[in-house]
Parts: sequence; structure tokens; C-alpha cells
Amino acid sequence: EPEVTQTPSHQVTQMGQEVILHCVPISNHLYFYWYRQILGQKVEFLVSFYNNEISEKSEIFDDQFSVERPDGSNFTLKIRSTKLEDSAMYFCASSATWAAEAFFGQGTRLTVV
Amino acid sequence: GDSVTQMEGPVTLSEEAFLTINCTYTATGYPSLFWYVQYPGEGLQLLLKATKADDKGSNKGFEATYRKETTSFHLEKGSVQVSDSAVYFCALSGRTSGSRLTFGEGTQLTVNP
Repeated sequence: EPEVTQTPSHQVTQMGQEVILHCVPISNHLYFYWYRQILGQKVEFLVSFYNNEISEKSEIFDDQFSVERPDGSNFTLKIRSTKLEDSAMYFCASSATWAAEAFFGQGTRLTVV
Repeated sequence: GDSVTQMEGPVTLSEEAFLTINCTYTATGYPSLFWYVQYPGEGLQLLLKATKADDKGSNKGFEATYRKETTSFHLEKGSVQVSDSAVYFCALSGRTSGSRLTFGEGTQLTVNP
């Protein structure tokens, strides 16, 4: 069964450092998403990506965040200068069409120290 | 904006007990409604969905009915098993918010033998 793959499963980084989270969406899907879940809080939407550009972003997704689909298979989330409050579980998801079922990866736990 | 409210957790039940997890929503228009489940150490998986009023989504013995008049989508199962222990998330995809998902807080379910 096709699945969304995220790496690494756990990333520890120092405050102020850049971090890149990696995702391989399901191969025939067209819409890609990043969500995050701070411990004990709701899963929050960050950004959606379609046709090689951002289609929606939340207020959380400020200039410190960027996304890229560098090679037609990977979908990355970059945080330029991490803060302590960026510590969270980050989920990548993909869907075949707009508003179709989203398939989620297992998440990357980011810890900023 | 769109929002989802789930019953406070955690919920602890004995095997074969009846389960209800309440979910209510606020949205403009007529959203699609979802229940996602997260088993320990895994990503979010779609459990069931409903796309219009009075639709009933069902999967693995779980059911939820889209109630427009009460803006609710409560999850039910007649007889839970130990293997149902997980975190359950109610979510919506609003007609006016594109393909992004808005999640509830999540409800931790523990089923004891």
C-alpha cells in the first residue's frame, strides 16, 4: 500500500540553526501539506503546495519557513533559524485531488534545545 | 474561522464497552467531516468521513453521522477492543478554506482487557 514517508523520525537541533524536514509523498498525488502538533495541543495546518507553488498557508508559516519540491519526489520543510517554540511533531501529508482524503506520514519529532 | 471541538479526554473503557467521542464544529458553508486515528508510534490514518448532511461514515465498526442541525459528527462504536486504543481526531475541510484540514484537540482512548 502506498504511504507517505518522513525522515528523520526525530531531529534535535540547537536554537538558531537551520533544519530541513524531508517527506516523500505518494507518487501520483498532486497536493502536499505540512502540519505540526506541539505536545499536548491540536494538530495545526502550516502550508499546502500544488503545482510547484504554495496554495495556502497559515499565520504560523512566516518568513522563517519555506517549502520546496526539489526533484519531483521529495517535499521538504525548511526552518531557517529555529526557536524553542518550534519544537513539535511535524506531519507531512498528500492527497490525490483538492479536498480528497489526505494521507499522513508518521511524523518527525523536532526538538530545539 | 473554522473550528472543531472534541470532548475532553482521556477516555478509559473496558473491552466490549460502548464508545462515544463527541465532536462539534463551526464552519462557513457545508464542510466535509473526518475522523482520523493515531495508533502509538504511527502517523494519522483516516478512519471515516462524510461529505454532506445526514451521510454516515463507517469503518472497522466505527460510525459517525453528519448532523447539520446540531453541527456534530460524534464517533461511536458498539463494542471496543484493546486494539482500538489510540488517539482519535475529528477534523473538517471547509468549502471556503480549500483543502486544509482543521483538527480538534484529539481524544486519547485506552481500552483495558
